[in-house]
Amino acid sequence: DTAVSQTPKYLVTQMGNDKSIKCEQNLGHDTMYWYKQDSKKFLKIMFSYNNKELIINETVPNRFSPKSPDKAHLNLHINSLELGDSAVYFCASSSRRKLSYEQYFGPGTRLTVT
Amino acid sequence: DAKTTQPPSMDCAEGRAANLPCNHSTISGNEYVYWYRQIHSQGPQYIIHGLKNNETNEMASLIITEDRKSSTLILPHATLRDTAVYYCIAYHGSSNTGKLIFGQGTTLQVKP
Repeated sequence: DTAVSQTPKYLVTQMGNDKSIKCEQNLGHDTMYWYKQDSKKFLKIMFSYNNKELIINETVPNRFSPKSPDKAHLNLHINSLELGDSAVYFCASSSRRKLSYEQYFGPGTRLTVT
Repeated sequence: DAKTTQPPSMDCAEGRAANLPCNHSTISGNEYVYWYRQIHSQGPQYIIHGLKNNETNEMASLIITEDRKSSTLILPHATLRDTAVYYCIAYHGSSNTGKLIFGQGTTLQVKP
């Protein structure tokens, strides 16, 4: 069973388009995250939701809008895509009820903007 | 969260122990030391974490110095599949934000 899944795995699109990446976790976790890993391999958090409530919103352009329809899903919608948005986007989840707080990551979505 | 410092790269012979150091001299008393790794093109994977005591699980051991200013992740019998980037993160485990701050990590190359 896949714990944290993302779709699509690859996404190639043109500048100016709007696209969405979906994330689902079946771990029963209450907190979900989006991270961005750029071409230099730096991994940086973008957003975090706990029980569908936004708790982390890093300095991310407002073209990026996360949406959490329920605790098991956190989708990322990107408007007016730019070349600089090309990166690998990772979804993750954790449980604040557990004392360990480790995060479980999905396989990533490689976004290429042309 | 405290900043951590790791060597950019290390080599290890297959079957030998891999010892990955991490400095976190500004770590505060309530910050845990977490280790994650990222195998090429995959999502980061949690390995182990600790606060003061040494910890061991099925993947690795974590040795934290008494002053908590540094730690060492030990992979007891490294295999080729352990080749990855290893991240040491000082993290306020009970933080409401849950913000992991990844540095550049250590690229471990396990060689046959």
